[in-house]
Amino acid sequence: GAVVSQHPSWVICKSGTSVKIECRSLDFQATTMFWYRQFPKQSLMLMATSNEGSKATYEQGVEKDKFLINHASLTLSTLTVTSAHPEDSSFYICSAVLGTSAVNEQFFGPGTRLTVL
Amino acid sequence: QKEVEQDPGPLSVPEGAIVSLNCTYSNSAFQYFMWYRQYSRKGPELLMYTYSSGNKEDGRFTAQVDKSSKYISLFIRDSQPSDSATYLCAMSSGYSSASKIIFGSGTRLSIRP
Repeated sequence: GAVVSQHPSWVICKSGTSVKIECRSLDFQATTMFWYRQFPKQSLMLMATSNEGSKATYEQGVEKDKFLINHASLTLSTLTVTSAHPEDSSFYICSAVLGTSAVNEQFFGPGTRLTVL
Repeated sequence: QKEVEQDPGPLSVPEGAIVSLNCTYSNSAFQYFMWYRQYSRKGPELLMYTYSSGNKEDGRFTAQVDKSSKYISLFIRDSQPSDSATYLCAMSSGYSSASKIIFGSGTRLSIRP
């Protein structure tokens, strides 16, 4: 089956620093990857859609200069949280899809828990 | 009003019981409906996928969609302790993998041995 990995699984950082989260599709090439954020006891909220080789599309209310997304290859997308603050502490989840897949064929990574002190 | 409403629970039932999980939604454009299971600190995994109204069964799981009422359900028969997790309903108006998925907030389910 399709496997998506994320690294790191848990990161703690100081306020004001930047953190990079990697999302990899291990056994397929993903033309599109999605980044979600999930606060405790809340739903997954889509942050941005990332297509390989092009700029990410951000959802309304998500600061593109704060959440930098790079999708440089068909198997890797990165999310960098710049100048992180405690309110950015959350569970970040990526998903990846094949180019011609259906909506139910988004494969989710295990998530990265970010804690900003 | 949220596009998708889901009772957060928690819901606790004894092993072997039938579990009913539900969501309501407001956007009539939604055509594709999904249920995901999410264990603590893990990513969601797809359980069921249905298109438009109707029922779909897969083992102990049955998904129902009533578009006229904008109401979807997931039933779990013969529930097991391993079914303890958070269940997220999700829906989309588009078929393609690039379509935006809107998730419910999730219902925490606990199956007591």
